[in-house]
Amino acid sequence: AQTVTQSQPEMSVQEAETVTLSCTYDTSESDYYLFWYKQPPSRQMILVIRQEAYKQQNATENRFSVNFQKAAKSFSLKISDSQLGDAAMYFCAYSVESNFGNEKLTFGTGTRLTIIP
Amino acid sequence: KAGVTQTPRYLIKTRGQQVTLSCSPISGHRSVSWYQQTPGQGLQFLFEYFSETQRNKGNFPGRFSGRQFSNSRSEMNVSTLELGDSALYLCASSLREMNTEAFFGQGTRLTVV
Repeated sequence: AQTVTQSQPEMSVQEAETVTLSCTYDTSESDYYLFWYKQPPSRQMILVIRQEAYKQQNATENRFSVNFQKAAKSFSLKISDSQLGDAAMYFCAYSVESNFGNEKLTFGTGTRLTIIP
Repeated sequence: KAGVTQTPRYLIKTRGQQVTLSCSPISGHRSVSWYQQTPGQGLQFLFEYFSETQRNKGNFPGRFSGRQFSNSRSEMNVSTLELGDSALYLCASSLREMNTEAFFGQGTRLTVV
């Protein structure tokens, strides 16, 4: 079974600084996707960034980037120039790819990120 | 384009009752997935429906069921509610094709008393 582990229940960072959230996963699949989702107090899950396992290049989305280490099964999220609006729960998630498209999401336990003004 | 809509937003039920939650996906999306979020168990997959057929099912008892209608709207039902069913129930819709994003609704907060 696939598992996703986030070892940092809480993190905090000064506004405008950089923070890295950690995620490791376990799978025997070769084709899969990894995601970081953000859940603000409004509770709506918002996709932050996505990485396809077959791509060696790390995904980036503006201030958000990942460090994908496939052999180590590690998938960390770096947030640069942290802003107050980045405060939220961040979930790492995994999805296997099948002939029928992306399968269900398996989530980690989340990291609560606090931004210090 | 309207997002994923879940109704109701909040619900209080008594132990032993049953409840039905509704999810309207983004227009054109034929896949709807349901997740349960609790402080103790985190986010857990319940089931997924695609074109009115259940494609995947998580490890939940038979009290949890769902269905999808021809317009892709989905409902999930929980019968004989238990206190442990108190949770945030999230619905996500997607095109269910390769490399497509799952869009989430704001959830239904169910409290069982």
